[in-house]
Amino acid sequence: DTGVSQDPRHKITKRGQNVTFRCDPISEHNRLYWYRQTLGQGPEFLTYFQNEAQLEKSRLLSDRFSAERPKGSFSTLEIQRTEQGDSAMYLCASSSRDYTEAFFGQGTRLTVV
Amino acid sequence: DAKTTQPTSMDCAEGRAANLPCNHSTISGNEYVYWYRQIHSQGPQYIIHGLKNNETNEMASLIITEDRKSSTLILPHATLRDTAVYYCIVNAGGTSYGKLTFGQGTILTVHP
Repeated sequence: DTGVSQDPRHKITKRGQNVTFRCDPISEHNRLYWYRQTLGQGPEFLTYFQNEAQLEKSRLLSDRFSAERPKGSFSTLEIQRTEQGDSAMYLCASSSRDYTEAFFGQGTRLTVV
Repeated sequence: DAKTTQPTSMDCAEGRAANLPCNHSTISGNEYVYWYRQIHSQGPQYIIHGLKNNETNEMASLIITEDRKSSTLILPHATLRDTAVYYCIVNAGGTSYGKLTFGQGTILTVHP
């Protein structure tokens, strides 16, 4: 297993466009998390799935954001009508009930111009 | 989750021990102390965690005070590759695990 994989690694988009990111967690990990990290700050929690169920969403996740995890495997995070304030690193992590650590991907860096 | 306080930055000479402090005075009895680090342009990486006993693994040691209000992460022989932001996080674990509340962390710079 190569760990948590995120695609794309970098995305530049124009303001107002929609973007979608993909996260492939470690096989058999039933929990999947999305975080956002802006420059100079620690990652901030966005949302969390257990299998295919989205169990919690942060208030940071506005109506323009939607996340899915069909079949409890990979997950997508979509941002509609992007704004310059959405520019950040979007991190995905996964964990299993049997483990005590979250494994993070390398992130997708979004730049909205 | 309880709030943590860490120094903004620290320096360490290569080969020396790096001791990173963390205050978590409002920690609850069921909350663990976790340490993660983030090397530039990478995702955070788990280092170690503990409840009340001191812990050691191949990466580091974690010393938690008896009252659990503070802890210290020790990197016994720091190398240049240990230069990173180190985050101390308090988390209840179990079903809460994974929803981690990161602060701003400590920027550790290891010098040759």
